[in-house]
Amino acid sequence: DTAVSQTPKYLVTQMGNDKSIKCEQNLGHDTMYWYKQDSKKFLKIMFSYNNKELIINETVPNRFSPKSPDKAHLNLHINSLELGDSAVYFCASSQGGLITTDTQYFGPGTRLTVL
Amino acid sequence: QKEVEQDPGPLSVPEGAIVSLNCTYSNSAFQYFMWYRQYSRKGPELLMYTYSSGNKEDGRFTAQVDKSSKYISLFIRDSQPSDSATYLCAMSPNSGGYQKVTFGTGTKLQVIP
Repeated sequence: DTAVSQTPKYLVTQMGNDKSIKCEQNLGHDTMYWYKQDSKKFLKIMFSYNNKELIINETVPNRFSPKSPDKAHLNLHINSLELGDSAVYFCASSQGGLITTDTQYFGPGTRLTVL
Repeated sequence: QKEVEQDPGPLSVPEGAIVSLNCTYSNSAFQYFMWYRQYSRKGPELLMYTYSSGNKEDGRFTAQVDKSSKYISLFIRDSQPSDSATYLCAMSPNSGGYQKVTFGTGTKLQVIP
């Protein structure tokens, strides 16, 4: 059983397109996150939702829009894709929102390549 | 200057060696310190976390925090080929409520049989 799953695993698309990445967790956690990991392995938080409510919204272009239909799902929609959006996007979840004491469980990542 | 600095490596050691992985940071507000392990093409997984200064041991792993020097370390004893991965340090302030974690760029470790 996969605790945190993401689809698709790989995404190759042209500049200017709009794409979505989906994330689901079956751990019953209240908090979910999106991270971006660039080619230099730098992992940076983008968004965090607790019970469908946005609690962390980092300095991210407004082309990125998270959506949480329920607390088990957190999707990421990206408009007008740019070359610099190429990265691995990780979804994660934790029981609560105190992410330093609540272990975060990461999904396998979605490798996005923008051509 | 980045808030968290970490030598990217790669670090190659023979099996059985003691490995020392380190991070420095500039934000004195950081109170929680974590180490994540990330295997190739996988998501990170939390190894250990410590609060404030001191040591914490878990099996072959020991985490050390020296807040006066703004320096944290992860030691791996009796390293195994299965320890080959990228190790990311991460840290967060204790400002109450929802926390925000800042990651280092990771050190790639290779343990050679």
